[in-house]
Amino acid sequence: DQQVKQNSPSLSVQEGRISILNCDYTNSMFDYFLWYKKYPAEGPTFLISISSIKDKNEDGRFTVFLNKSAKHLSLHIVPSQPGDSAVYFCAASASGGYNKLIFGAGTRLAVHP
Amino acid sequence: KAGVTQTPRYLIKTRGQQVTLSCSPISGHRSVSWYQQTPGQGLQFLFEYFSETQRNKGNFPGRFSGRQFSNSRSEMNVSTLELGDSALYLCASSMPGRLDSPLHFGNGTRLTVT
Repeated sequence: DQQVKQNSPSLSVQEGRISILNCDYTNSMFDYFLWYKKYPAEGPTFLISISSIKDKNEDGRFTVFLNKSAKHLSLHIVPSQPGDSAVYFCAASASGGYNKLIFGAGTRLAVHP
Repeated sequence: KAGVTQTPRYLIKTRGQQVTLSCSPISGHRSVSWYQQTPGQGLQFLFEYFSETQRNKGNFPGRFSGRQFSNSRSEMNVSTLELGDSALYLCASSMPGRLDSPLHFGNGTRLTVT
């Protein structure tokens, strides 16, 4: 039972444009959501997070939007840069286990010059 | 500040053997979590340790175990290795109980079981 789903295995975007990565979840107990970026042969790197009391969080070029009623979150990267090319993982957790992250399968983003 | 350090980076073992992986968390981080990444199952939570006590556990068989030392360093052990245990094992650390302290991952130990 996949509690966190990233339905797009890959995404290709031109440099300078917006990248939008999507994530859906099924468990209504989740109240903390994170995005990680992963390069080959490295561990995931934390990008941005959002708690369920918010619907938007920004950090530089990265913005995460949370729609609780739809159980959907998205990561916007503006503008996209070639160095953003990586696999992006959405993760979720619930109170009492904030380090017990449930990860999506990941979306491979390719940013082309 | 040094990141999460995992040793060794690569390991090759034979079915039936056991293996121990090591993790040194970021200085000041007292919670250590372990994850397994495989192509088929993705990233899955193994367990979390805080103050030398297991605080959360994922859905893995008892062959997978771990421990944490008083300096917050952690080890995980897999006994009676199976081919399906071949994976990237990731350790992550955080300051527990704080939403502004997300998990920070090491670069992992790549275990191959033959």
